[in-house]
Amino acid sequence: QSALTQPRSVSGSPGQSVTISCTGTSSDVGGYNYVSWYQQHPGKAPKLMIYDVSKRPSGVPDRFSGSKSGNTASLTISGLQAEDEADYYCCSYAGSYTLWVFGGGTKLTVL
Amino acid sequence: QVQLQESGPGLVKPSETLSLTCTVSGGSISSYYWSWIRQPPGKGLEWIGYIYYSGSTNYNPSLKSRVTISVDTSKNQFSLKLSSVTAADTAVYYCAGVMTFGGVIVGNWFDPWGQGTLVTVSS
Repeated sequence: QSALTQPRSVSGSPGQSVTISCTGTSSDVGGYNYVSWYQQHPGKAPKLMIYDVSKRPSGVPDRFSGSKSGNTASLTISGLQAEDEADYYCCSYAGSYTLWVFGGGTKLTVL
Repeated sequence: QVQLQESGPGLVKPSETLSLTCTVSGGSISSYYWSWIRQPPGKGLEWIGYIYYSGSTNYNPSLKSRVTISVDTSKNQFSLKLSSVTAADTAVYYCAGVMTFGGVIVGNWFDPWGQGTLVTVSS
């Protein structure tokens, strides 16, 4: 059982937008603006896509955006492309005792 | 550009100690807090713990009693030991960096990552 809750799967057609949610508590997602998102293709290491809720590292397309409301963070991918098909994981800082917790992951299928 | 490479046995017997090493190249070992993260087959990610080059450590409370992370700055390496392993510890183990400045964590995210190494616990 992961600390953060994500939908098991989402899907969308090329060109459409999809949003992946990540629900935690006031002790993690809701308590800090330290949510990050990772993309993982099969057999590969996770890749940082979003940090500090909504910031994009250099090289990540601006089709990827992040937001947060209360205890739920969201990753939105607009203009879906075939290469976006992957697993996506959220992560949140959870205080000085637990430090970081992850979501269980969401499989994105591009139809 | 910092690169990470995990190494170690791919098979460990139950009740024994899992040992892995991560080699850091292309950057300073003092620029990051170095973490271990694992992913059981078909499951999500779990943060195990971190170490700073000074030797300062912090562990996931759920694993703390079995985990030791150490650093060898002369070799630009840090290591993970997980004792009393069971089948539930079977996972891909990743090493990853958390950005620091002056010894203070300035980035609550993981980047870079190693490629990961699968460790199977089985007799």
